[in-house]
Amino acid sequence: KQEVTQIPAALSVPEGENLVLNCSFTDSAIYNLQWFRQDPGKGLTSLLLIQSSQREQTSGRLNASLDKSSGRSTLYIAASQPGDSATYLCAAFRNDYKLSFGAGTTVTVRA
Amino acid sequence: GAGVSQSPSNKVTEKGKDVELRCDPISGHTALYWYRQSLGQGLEFLIYFQGNSAPDKSGLPSDRFSAERTGGSVSTLTIQRTQQEDSAVYLCASSLTGGNPIYFGEGSWLTVV
Repeated sequence: KQEVTQIPAALSVPEGENLVLNCSFTDSAIYNLQWFRQDPGKGLTSLLLIQSSQREQTSGRLNASLDKSSGRSTLYIAASQPGDSATYLCAAFRNDYKLSFGAGTTVTVRA
Repeated sequence: GAGVSQSPSNKVTEKGKDVELRCDPISGHTALYWYRQSLGQGLEFLIYFQGNSAPDKSGLPSDRFSAERTGGSVSTLTIQRTQQEDSAVYLCASSLTGGNPIYFGEGSWLTVV
């Protein structure tokens, strides 16, 4: 069974600081890994998907890395803004295409 | 449509009643997922549809829960004889095929009183 862990559970940083969000998974035989953002009372918004053959993926201020051998993915958000405040979730695709989600990291960016 | 559409967005029902939640996936997406998110909890897998294949129902918590997908598009999640512990946000997602990025709807917030 795939277990996905996100540490820390919550993070508060001043505006402008870079964010580093961690995701670890127990089964290295993942298919892909996807990062999401969830705002309070809303659904999940897709941020990035990293295929198992890739080591990183970039979109604007966001960069996600994947190290299957160590069972880790990291989401970097450069120059954080108050609008980045949300809960960030990572999800590992299993070979049957179902996703196992972490509990998320709740980020607060202070103006 | 442009995104995954779910209805109703909010539903308050009395314990013991049946409810139906609807999901309209992104056009052309063959994979469809239902997840449940209880207050302060993580996402719990419920069911997965892929094209015309038999759905993976391994996450349905009890036989009171069922889902169908008609014509490979719209899906309905039905909860019979609702219980208070069924109160949660029910999230639907779709993807082009299994393994591609998945996109979520805004969810259906269910409250059982």
